[in-house]
Amino acid sequence: DTGVSQNPRHKITKRGQNVTFRCDPISEHNRLYWYRQTLGQGPEFLTYFQNEAQLEKSRLLSDRFSAERPKGSFSTLEIQRTEQGDSAMYLCASSLSPGQEMFFGPGTRLTVL
Amino acid sequence: QKEVEQNSGPLSVPEGAIASLNCTYSDRGSQSFFWYRQYSGKSPELIMSIYSNGDKEDGRFTAQLNKASQYVSLLIRDSQPSDSATYLCAVRMDSSYKLIFGSGTRLLVRP
Repeated sequence: DTGVSQNPRHKITKRGQNVTFRCDPISEHNRLYWYRQTLGQGPEFLTYFQNEAQLEKSRLLSDRFSAERPKGSFSTLEIQRTEQGDSAMYLCASSLSPGQEMFFGPGTRLTVL
Repeated sequence: QKEVEQNSGPLSVPEGAIASLNCTYSDRGSQSFFWYRQYSGKSPELIMSIYSNGDKEDGRFTAQLNKASQYVSLLIRDSQPSDSATYLCAVRMDSSYKLIFGSGTRLLVRP
């Protein structure tokens, strides 16, 4: 049983560039979540998918952020025109149902120079 | 008021002692509660879930929930230096899909 996987694990980019992250959830988990975590804080919710439908988006998710889950399996998170404030750990998690336990991937650490 | 509150710590306990970590939440309708452990530079790892009032034990870990007081705690018995990490409390609010996390409590277990 493989866990949640995320790629890349680290990304360094220059301000203004676009970046895309990928998340592969645990197989058969149809719920997928994206979170962002900065130093000393707990993870902050960004968005949630049930299968391919994006059911909830945080107000934190500005119009520079977009997420997709086109076939209800893997998901991508794109950040356009990156800013230094976007530097954080981006975490993906999946669960079998909304009330059940949620498991995180290893995260993608983004550094915007 | 934050939705999920934790003391940031650090909480320092000697090896072999019981570590007690606490969390309060604001939404009285919350139904699901979780504790995650996070080592520095790593992602959160699920330790326990609890859904009903009372205690739930799993090995050295016991989660306690009191919905009337809006309080959830995690006890770690026979603490080991390898338990040194940040412990995150997470709550699923009523009628929401997402988990809301506290800022975490840093635990240090002294050898």
